[in-house]
Amino acid sequence: RKEVEQDPGPFNVPEGATVAFNCTYSNSASQSFFWYRQDCRKEPKLLMSVYSSGNEDGRFTAQLNRASQYISLLIRDSKLSDSATYLCVVNFNDYKLSFGAGTTVTVRA
Amino acid sequence: DAGVIQSPRHEVTEMGQEVTLRCKPISGHDYLFWYRQTMMRGLELLIYFNNNVPIDDSGMPEDRFSAKMPNASFSTLKIQPSEPRDSAVYFCASSSSGPVETQYFGPGTRLLVL
Repeated sequence: RKEVEQDPGPFNVPEGATVAFNCTYSNSASQSFFWYRQDCRKEPKLLMSVYSSGNEDGRFTAQLNRASQYISLLIRDSKLSDSATYLCVVNFNDYKLSFGAGTTVTVRA
Repeated sequence: DAGVIQSPRHEVTEMGQEVTLRCKPISGHDYLFWYRQTMMRGLELLIYFNNNVPIDDSGMPEDRFSAKMPNASFSTLKIQPSEPRDSAVYFCASSSSGPVETQYFGPGTRLLVL
């Protein structure tokens, strides 16, 4: 079983729509959680951290459910520029980040 | 301020040749990471350094791979001999504290081994 699993998508949505997707992790001792964004043929970049109480950053909302061991990301009022692959990232110990394979989102005009 | 710099950006080589990838981390960052990304396996951590010392190389696939960090501003990842299955994008990343903090990725080196 992979440490971090994501629905690869793609999620094809029109501009202005809301899109949401989840990620599950296998290690219940995981400590920190993040969403990274990777544009086509570019490097990954931190989108946002995920806090236990859930958190928002503009149109992006991240949730953590420790009991069920999943993380979610919701994008409201999606823009063309939101088209990317979103990587779920989990920290199991002091040094290692484990990346999911990514969920691809395509926003169409 | 310059980000993480990697060279070359693209590399095409023949099976059996030696490949050397280079990375310059962000100045002041004391952690450096090497990752490999493929469609099949996603993004995998190969090795990371703290203050130029290799801390964990458990992700290095086999003895053909080696990494060094002779000083705080330079690291290399070497593959010798290279094989077609080594074809991937290799990313270098650095951070100013433990890996739980933001890691800044370089643009990557796209390696194709024929």
